[in-house]
Amino acid sequence: DQQVKQNSPSLSVQEGRISILNCDYTNSMFDYFLWYKKYPAEGPTFLISISSIKDKNEDGRFTVFLNKSAKHLSLHIVPSQPGDSAVYFCAASVMDSNYQLIWGAGTKLIIKP
Amino acid sequence: NAGVTQTPKFRVLKTGQSMTLLCAQDMNHEYMYWYRQDPGMGLRLIHYSVGEGTTAKGEVPDGYNVSRLKKQNFLLGLESAAPSQTSVYFCASSNNQETQYFGPGTRLLVL
Repeated sequence: DQQVKQNSPSLSVQEGRISILNCDYTNSMFDYFLWYKKYPAEGPTFLISISSIKDKNEDGRFTVFLNKSAKHLSLHIVPSQPGDSAVYFCAASVMDSNYQLIWGAGTKLIIKP
Repeated sequence: NAGVTQTPKFRVLKTGQSMTLLCAQDMNHEYMYWYRQDPGMGLRLIHYSVGEGTTAKGEVPDGYNVSRLKKQNFLLGLESAAPSQTSVYFCASSNNQETQYFGPGTRLLVL
């Protein structure tokens, strides 16, 4: 039973355009959501996060939107750059869970020149 | 400041052999984690530690053991390797809910 789902295994976007990566979750107890980025042969690196008390968080070119009623979050990258080509993981946690993260399967983003 | 390091980077084992993966962090983090990543799947938590001398089971603990004798080190052991344990193993450390810092991973192949 996947609690965090990323239904698109891959996404191809033109350089300069907007990339939108989606994530759905089933556990209503999740109160913190994170996006990580992973390059080949490296460990994931933290990108951006959002608490369940917010519906939007922005950091430069990256914005995460949270829709609690739909149990859906999305990551927007504007404008997309070649260096953004990577696998993006959505993860979620429950407060007081010793910071354990439940991870989605990832979406491979390919930025085309 | 090296962050999180993992040793070895790659290993091939025969079924039934044992090995230990070492994770070290120099950020003085209390929390450390071991994950495995398999093709088409997200990271799955094997074991974790909330401080020196403590360990706890994660989502997929069977076939693995861990130890945290020193705050900076978190060891993952496979007593009798099985082909199903072929995976990429990641170690991470953290001090808050927001960010986990990951090592570069260990690729393990069990024949």
